[in-house]
Amino acid sequence: AQRVTQPEKLLSVFKGAPVELKCNYSYSGSPELFWYVQYSRQRLQLLLRHISRESIKGFTADLNKGETSFHLKKPFAQEEDSAMYYCALRGSSNTGKLIFGQGTTLQVKP
Amino acid sequence: DGGITQSPKYLFRKEGQNVTLSCEQNLNHDAMYWYRQDPGQGLRLIYYSQIVNDFQKGDIAEGYSVSREKKESFPLTVTSAQKNPTAFYLCASSTTISPLHFGNGTRLTVT
Repeated sequence: AQRVTQPEKLLSVFKGAPVELKCNYSYSGSPELFWYVQYSRQRLQLLLRHISRESIKGFTADLNKGETSFHLKKPFAQEEDSAMYYCALRGSSNTGKLIFGQGTTLQVKP
Repeated sequence: DGGITQSPKYLFRKEGQNVTLSCEQNLNHDAMYWYRQDPGQGLRLIYYSQIVNDFQKGDIAEGYSVSREKKESFPLTVTSAQKNPTAFYLCASSTTISPLHFGNGTRLTVT
């Protein structure tokens, strides 16, 4: 079965501290992984996709197939990073649909 | 701020009434999706459509219906059979290889 697990509902850090939002997945094939972010009163928007291998707003994520993980990291958190973060998986069935994790609220305190 | 438009932003209905949520996109995407967002449960797929006049059930399709008569439009009807309809509903679209682009959502409250 395809599944995405984000073990933390809430992650609270101080400004300037490192951040790691965890994401583990279950999929038998070669998935495509994404991170989406939802800032307060804004629409859900794409933050990263693993095939792009780019850094957006200082965030990076590496797909670890051995550990079936796609953790989101940032070395120094900013207050404007406070938001809900969702990890998502797309399988190889070409339907385009995404399977989402439960989401993690990141709270960056001043 | 074009792309995907969901209307209305807030919707209130009495229990037992059907209600239709609108979703329109001008991105020329073939695929469209409806998700339901509940606190602590993430986003769950209700229905999706890869081409006009075709759609498939997602993980939680019971109590919902959709149509895809035009490429640009994918309305969702929440029927009286849906046991817990109060939620935030998100519409999205994509090509088969692009990431999903989401609308602003509709918050439905049923009392």
